[in-house]
Amino acid sequence: AQTVTQSQPEMSVQEAETVTLSCTYDTSESDYYLFWYKQPPSRQMILVIRQEAYKQQNATENRFSVNFQKAAKSFSLKISDSQLGDAAMYFCALSNAGNMLTFGGGTRLMVKP
Amino acid sequence: EAQVTQNPRYLITVTGKKLTVTCSQNMNHEYMSWYRQDPGLGLRQIYYSMNVEVTDKGDVPEGYKVSRKEKRNFPLILESPSPNQTSLYFCASSLIGAGKTQYFGPGTRLLVL
Repeated sequence: AQTVTQSQPEMSVQEAETVTLSCTYDTSESDYYLFWYKQPPSRQMILVIRQEAYKQQNATENRFSVNFQKAAKSFSLKISDSQLGDAAMYFCALSNAGNMLTFGGGTRLMVKP
Repeated sequence: EAQVTQNPRYLITVTGKKLTVTCSQNMNHEYMSWYRQDPGLGLRQIYYSMNVEVTDKGDVPEGYKVSRKEKRNFPLILESPSPNQTSLYFCASSLIGAGKTQYFGPGTRLLVL
């Protein structure tokens, strides 16, 4: 069985500042993929970033980047230059060789103007 | 436009009254899945389907049924809803294969009285 844990139920950041959301996971598979999804108040699930476990290089998408520590089973999301539109629930998720996604409990990010 | 659609978006019902939530995708995806989202628990998989006439249980299948008679449609059936099935439901689809990005529908908010 695989598990994903997000230990921060809520986080806040000042607009234009940087914030890091934490995620740890556990899996017995050697081949897996990690994702961060954003859920704004509209409730739509939006893919933010994706990381292949076999790649050592951390994924980056514009202001979003990850710190993937495979040995520690850690996958944190860094948001730089935070904007008001970044306020949302963020979910970390794990997928192994199949298509099944296992999600963490989520972190609510508030952005202060 | 490539999308996953769900209907209805909101539903209030009473205990024991059968209901169906429809899900349809126009991306010719083989894989489809249903999740429920509850506070603090993230999204949990209810059922999934790898192709037409192929379905299997996820982590929380009790009280739910699904069918996959056509590739594009994957309805979720609650034959005798109970209050503990009050939740936010998401349908998702993707291509088959490790790490494929799942595309989510807009969600269905269900309240069972």
